[in-house]
Amino acid sequence: AQTVTQSQPEMSVQEAETVTLSCTYDTSENNYYLFWYKQPPSRQMILVIRQEAYKQQNATENRFSVNFQKAAKSFSLKISDSQLGDTAMYFCAFGRTGTASKLTFGTGTRLQVTL
Amino acid sequence: GAVVSQHPSWVICKSGTSVKIECRSLDFQATTMFWYRQFPKQSLMLMATSNEGSKATYEQGVEKDKFLINHASLTLSTLTVTSAHPEDSSFYICSAIVQALYGYTFGSGTRLTVV
Repeated sequence: AQTVTQSQPEMSVQEAETVTLSCTYDTSENNYYLFWYKQPPSRQMILVIRQEAYKQQNATENRFSVNFQKAAKSFSLKISDSQLGDTAMYFCAFGRTGTASKLTFGTGTRLQVTL
Repeated sequence: GAVVSQHPSWVICKSGTSVKIECRSLDFQATTMFWYRQFPKQSLMLMATSNEGSKATYEQGVEKDKFLINHASLTLSTLTVTSAHPEDSSFYICSAIVQALYGYTFGSGTRLTVV
């Protein structure tokens, strides 16, 4: 079974600064997907970024980028130029390849962006 | 694209009654849908996986007779909380796999309060 660990329950960052959220996972699979989801106060789950395990290049989406270390089973999220709208709960998730694979979520990191 | 519409967004019901929550995929066919439960400030807990035209697969510890899941079409999955009790009060979220993108899209959630 896969497990996903987020060791930072809460983090705070000032507006315009950079913050990194940590995520580690455990799996025996070789091919899989990793995700970061954002859940703002509205509680709508929003995909932030996705990484395919077979790709060595780290995924980027505008201000969001990941540091994917497959051997270390680490998948951290870096948010650059933090904005107030980034305040949310962030969940790291693991998904096996396959047509009906469920996601395994970490416990989440609550990020507060301050002025 | 790839929108899942979840209704109702919130519902209050009396103890002992049943409540139905619907999730519809609006612009794609959702062969597989997932139902999650989320307690305040916690992660998403997978309750069950529903596949169109077949019985749902429940996670260990989830009462099948209390949480009835029906996935009768490629665009609709429902979760019925039967004989609801206050401890069933929670936030319920559905999710569907979007095959074309290999991604997951989420409904906006339903806040259930049982009084």
